[in-house]
Amino acid sequence: KNEVEQSPQNLTAQEGEFITINCSYSVGISALHWLQQHPGGGIVSLFMLSSGKKKHGRLIATINIQEKHSSLHITASHPRDSAVYICAVFNTDKLIFGTGTRLQVFP
Amino acid sequence: SAVISQKPSRDICQRGTSLTIQCQVDSQVTMMFWYRQQPGQSLTLIATANQGSEATYESGFVIDKFPISRPNLTFSTLTVSNMSPEDSSIYLCSVEGQGTTEAFFGQGTRLTVV
Repeated sequence: KNEVEQSPQNLTAQEGEFITINCSYSVGISALHWLQQHPGGGIVSLFMLSSGKKKHGRLIATINIQEKHSSLHITASHPRDSAVYICAVFNTDKLIFGTGTRLQVFP
Repeated sequence: SAVISQKPSRDICQRGTSLTIQCQVDSQVTMMFWYRQQPGQSLTLIATANQGSEATYESGFVIDKFPISRPNLTFSTLTVSNMSPEDSSIYLCSVEGQGTTEAFFGQGTRLTVV
């Protein structure tokens, strides 16, 4: 079993839909990252969370430390949101990555 | 924050050759990290590079195959040596924010070995 599990692996949506991507982890963490990977491979950090909830534009990230679970929500999705979204946890000075969720948003 | 310039962004290489990937950071950082992402897989840490000392390699990665240089606090290179098609992956460098758990990534190098 992977230490960081994401679901779903693949997700398709129509423009405007509300999207949720889930991340569960089994190790102790000091922080959790949500990352966006573009088709060329480059990665952008969207959020770093250690508790509660953060919002940036149409993106919202939440974390429940007791349940070891985090969610990334995208409101009013747009085709430019199409990317791979990766959850990563910071554990003993090291990042452990989930396998990612491939999102495609169609117009 | 930190801005990382990684190059090349992609390359197609012949088996048996070597490729050196460069990462330049716009600020001084203690540790730099090199990752590999094989097709359809999550990122795997290859090694951690500290300035002035040898890199620390993760299990399954060796210095002869992935030599790393870290000549100063803003620059590092990773070489993929004696390449085979199994080395076809995305390679990424990363740094942490000073005194924080923030993470910043380069743009990635998409390597195809033919």
